[in-house]
Amino acid sequence: KNQVEQSPQSLIILEGKNCTLQCNYTVSPFSNLRWYKQDTGRGPVSLTIMTFSENTKSNGRYTATLDADTKQSSLHITASQLSDSASYICVVSEYGGATNKLIFGTGTLLAVQP
Amino acid sequence: DAGITQSPRHKVTETGTPVTLRCHQTENHRYMYWYRQDPGHGLRLIHYSYGVKDTDKGEVSDGYSVSRSKTEDFLLTLESATSSQTSVYFCAISESEVNNQPQHFGDGTRLSIL
Repeated sequence: KNQVEQSPQSLIILEGKNCTLQCNYTVSPFSNLRWYKQDTGRGPVSLTIMTFSENTKSNGRYTATLDADTKQSSLHITASQLSDSASYICVVSEYGGATNKLIFGTGTLLAVQP
Repeated sequence: DAGITQSPRHKVTETGTPVTLRCHQTENHRYMYWYRQDPGHGLRLIHYSYGVKDTDKGEVSDGYSVSRSKTEDFLLTLESATSSQTSVYFCAISESEVNNQPQHFGDGTRLSIL
């Protein structure tokens, strides 16, 4: 069964610190992997999209890595800010020819404290 | 932010009543999606549309129907609401299915069925 698992479920860090969120998947065939940020009461917002051939991608203070061999991804947040408090969702796209299927993880809830 | 408006943003209704949720986009994107988000689950696809009058089922489509009579509007209908359909519903849009384009999400409709 195609699955996306994220860890930890929740995390508390102090403002200014770095953190790394993990994503393991069993999706096959693989098309791409996405990270989304979801603020409380809002819809998810895309941070990065990585294909099979990309092993790192940055968006400001967010850096995603992908190891397609071990089927693992991480999202690293540098110099955290209070506004980084949100749920971070890993999404893997299962290749389906004309249409791909997105498989969503349950998210890591990050709280950044002053 | 992508121009996606969901209405209503909140709704409380009773079991057995019909409910229609609306998604309106101003981006002229071809693809539109309806998801539900529940605690302990990743977002799950209900139905999607790949053009006017062209729709298909997702993984949790039972009890839901959709219609798309114009490019900009995608309606989700619960013909006879049940308590198990209490959830947060998100609409998403994308330009393309297979070109690694991100899905852009609306801010959701919180639906409570008593």
